Amino acid sequence: AIQMTQSPSSLSASVGDRITITCRASQGIRSDLGWYQQKPGIAPKLLIYAASSLESGVPSRFSGSGSGTNFTLTISSLQPEDFATYYCLQDYNYPFTFGQGTRLEIK
Amino acid sequence: QITLKESGPTLVKPTETLMLTCTFSGVSFSATGAGVGWIRQPPGKALEWLALLYWNDDKRYSSSLKDRLTVTKDSSKNQVVLTLTNVDPLDTGTYYCAHRRSGDGAFNVWGQGAMVTVSS
Repeated sequence: AIQMTQSPSSLSASVGDRITITCRASQGIRSDLGWYQQKPGIAPKLLIYAASSLESGVPSRFSGSGSGTNFTLTISSLQPEDFATYYCLQDYNYPFTFGQGTRLEIK
Repeated sequence: QITLKESGPTLVKPTETLMLTCTFSGVSFSATGAGVGWIRQPPGKALEWLALLYWNDDKRYSSSLKDRLTVTKDSSKNQVVLTLTNVDPLDTGTYYCAHRRSGDGAFNVWGQGAMVTVSS
């Protein structure tokens, strides 16, 4: 199975900061990667699909980039509602695999 | 508008079989590459992908669970059923079903989740 390694595992930041989360695949996955946001007690929400496409209704401060093995999720200016846990998911081949998550906390 | 909702037991004993139902609406059964996936999350831990059932009845499973896991669909009832046999306390967690979108394959709509505890 393809391993997805996310970094950092946790991150403290302030409202207005620009942050980047990285996801690295153990082998090339083209652009078959999505980013999901999860808040405590709530189901995950799709933010980015196909590595860099913004899901409808998601604020433009979220962006994704990368292909092959290295991917990033960037939030350009953190808002209070962005403090959550973020996961990447590869759907290049089976079994699909998630990263271990990045917990974004308020500094 | 697509909606999904999981239902099933909240408590299961070790070695028993867990059956969870995902009831959905607003989906198109003719969309190539679309289907329903199952994902779970142990308390305080990361998401884990379990299985995917396409509308053409193609099925894919987690490598670690494929011997215990089955997904089926009942199109007449708009339901997908996950069956996990011989459960263990490590199977405790929240189980989500999610719609996989045709084309890009993203899980664009999720159910609210069903918490399952495996304990004697």
